[in-house]
Amino acid sequence: ETGVTQTPRHLVMGMTNKKSLKCEQHLGHNAMYWYKQSAKKPLELMFVYNFKEQTENNSVPSRFSPECPNSSHLFLHLHTLQPEDSALYLCASSQESRPRGAEAFFGQGTRLTVV
Amino acid sequence: QQQVKQSPQSLIVQKGGISIINCAYENTAFDYFPWYQQFPGKGPALLIAIRPDVSEKKEGRFTISFNKSAKQFSLHIMDSQPGDSATYFCAAIRESGNQFYFGTGTSLTVIP
Repeated sequence: ETGVTQTPRHLVMGMTNKKSLKCEQHLGHNAMYWYKQSAKKPLELMFVYNFKEQTENNSVPSRFSPECPNSSHLFLHLHTLQPEDSALYLCASSQESRPRGAEAFFGQGTRLTVV
Repeated sequence: QQQVKQSPQSLIVQKGGISIINCAYENTAFDYFPWYQQFPGKGPALLIAIRPDVSEKKEGRFTISFNKSAKQFSLHIMDSQPGDSATYFCAAIRESGNQFYFGTGTSLTVIP
């Protein structure tokens, strides 16, 4: 157990649905991240929050909307997704956002399938 | 353009053997190079990392070799064990400039 908990573990949604992924960290960290992991592709950094403020958005489509109400919780709101958005979505946290989350602790991920 | 190229895609090693995974990068501004280990159903976990001012870093059975002039770095797992079977990712980071890139991963299987 890394101290980063993601729910749900698996999610199947239609292209017209709206759903949210949740991440919670119990490590007292002040930076949180969303990553996308697709088969045979590099891990893609999506969003970075440092002290609840979004510090990075890596050209992510607007159908993905992050929310960070406090330094312990991070959400990823999903709407009108495409089948190519199916992937493992990983949340991570670290004490500082440098060196770019390298010493981050990852959650187990949410396996998302868009049908 | 892929900033970090990782090879091989998959690797099978006998127990007790040496596993070697290679990564290459283009941007000389990268200044931190971590390796992550990911088991099925789990998120990646930081395994070992190196900065470009050293050529080698060893932690237990895991060693990073870094060749700055060739812009390459590799992970060596000595005395490989079945419990090492996992996917390994290299990454290259530029601490300023918000640049963070992962390799595509190597699936390692250690046969008993």
